[in-house]
Amino acid sequence: KAGVTQTPRYLIKTRGQQVTLSCSPISGHRSVSWYQQTPGQGLQFLFEYFSETQRNKGNFPGRFSGRQFSNSRSEMNVSTLELGDSALYLCASSFGQSLLEQYFGPGTRLTVT
Amino acid sequence: LAKTTQPISMDSYEGQEVNITCSHNNIATNDYITWYQQFPSQGPRFIIQGYKTKVTNEVASLFIPADRKSSTLSLPRVSLSDTAVYYCLVGDGFSGSARQLTFGSGTQLTVLP
Repeated sequence: KAGVTQTPRYLIKTRGQQVTLSCSPISGHRSVSWYQQTPGQGLQFLFEYFSETQRNKGNFPGRFSGRQFSNSRSEMNVSTLELGDSALYLCASSFGQSLLEQYFGPGTRLTVT
Repeated sequence: LAKTTQPISMDSYEGQEVNITCSHNNIATNDYITWYQQFPSQGPRFIIQGYKTKVTNEVASLFIPADRKSSTLSLPRVSLSDTAVYYCLVGDGFSGSARQLTFGSGTQLTVLP
């Protein structure tokens, strides 16, 4: 079974631009979560989607948004990029209601200049 | 999610058994204990999960004492490729704010030749 895939793997953007990242969960998984990882803050939860509904959101500004499609694929969008948004963005999927066993993708490395 | 405390770093030599202990004094009745492994610039990988006593899989063992206020991840005969950050998470993954995974600082394990 294929793992979680994320595209693109690397991205360079300029301050003020917006970016969309994509995540395809493991087949059959209906929950998708997004995380931001930086050296200073570690792994931080962004939001979680289940059956196209956002069920939880972390403590991030409204510039960070996401959505999930009927096939469970998910996208996250960051508008008005800031230098501090440079990070590894990770997507994780899980099969059922519990988030304790999640399967992470390789991440998208976003650099904002 | 229950707060966890684990060592910031550990060193070991190839072939040795490594035990990483995680303290979680305020673990709740419905909480499970989950460990993840993360290599640089990759997403975390689920290793093992348990509720009480001992759990073993092909990768590791998880020891949980009767009071469940701590747990120990045991990696048998480590190799250089086991060098990674190991995260301990505690929660039921279902209720309220626990629907997000909170990763602490983790333990940087360095395996030396």
